Amino acid sequence: KQEVTQIPAALSVPEGENLVLNCSFTDSAIYNLQWFRQDPGKGLTSLLLIQSSQREQTSGRLNASLDKSSGRSTLYIAASQPGDSATYLCAVEGGSEKLVFGKGTKLTVNP
Amino acid sequence: DTGVSQNPRHKITKRGQNVTFRCDPISEHNRLYWYRQTLGQGPEFLTYFQNEAQLEKSRLLSDRFSAERPKGSFSTLEIQRTEQGDSAMYLCASRGGTGGVLDTQYFGPGTRLTVL
Repeated sequence: KQEVTQIPAALSVPEGENLVLNCSFTDSAIYNLQWFRQDPGKGLTSLLLIQSSQREQTSGRLNASLDKSSGRSTLYIAASQPGDSATYLCAVEGGSEKLVFGKGTKLTVNP
Repeated sequence: DTGVSQNPRHKITKRGQNVTFRCDPISEHNRLYWYRQTLGQGPEFLTYFQNEAQLEKSRLLSDRFSAERPKGSFSTLEIQRTEQGDSAMYLCASRGGTGGVLDTQYFGPGTRLTVL
């Protein structure tokens, strides 16, 4: 059974700092790994999707890497801003098309 | 493209009552997914449709839960005889057929259920 773990559970940083969120998964047989953002009480917004054959994806200040063999992914956020405050969720997709999520990292960026 | 919509956004009900939620996917998306999210947890998969066919159901989906997608467009999720443990955010997502696993699942805003 696939399990996804995210570390840390919560993170508080001053504005402007670069930061890294970590995700690990137990079964390397995945089609893709995705990072989502969730604001309080809201749905999920897709940030980055990395196919199993890819090593990284970039979008603006966000960069996500994937090491499938070791079951790890990182999300790098450059020059953090208060608007980045949210919960960040990592999810992997295997053969059944269902996403398996971690519990998320709650990020607070202080002005 | 108006995105995935869900109704109602909030539902408060008493234990033992039946509730029904609706999800309207992005038009022409043939895949539709239901997830449940409790406080402090990531979403958990409930069920998945390709067109009108329900292809997979999680063990989380007890006999009290039923989902339908009768014409391959919108979907409904019904919970019968609600229990306090059913209180959660119910999320719907959709995905187009051509991209398959190359594309993300697009999530709606969710329906928050509170069972008193």
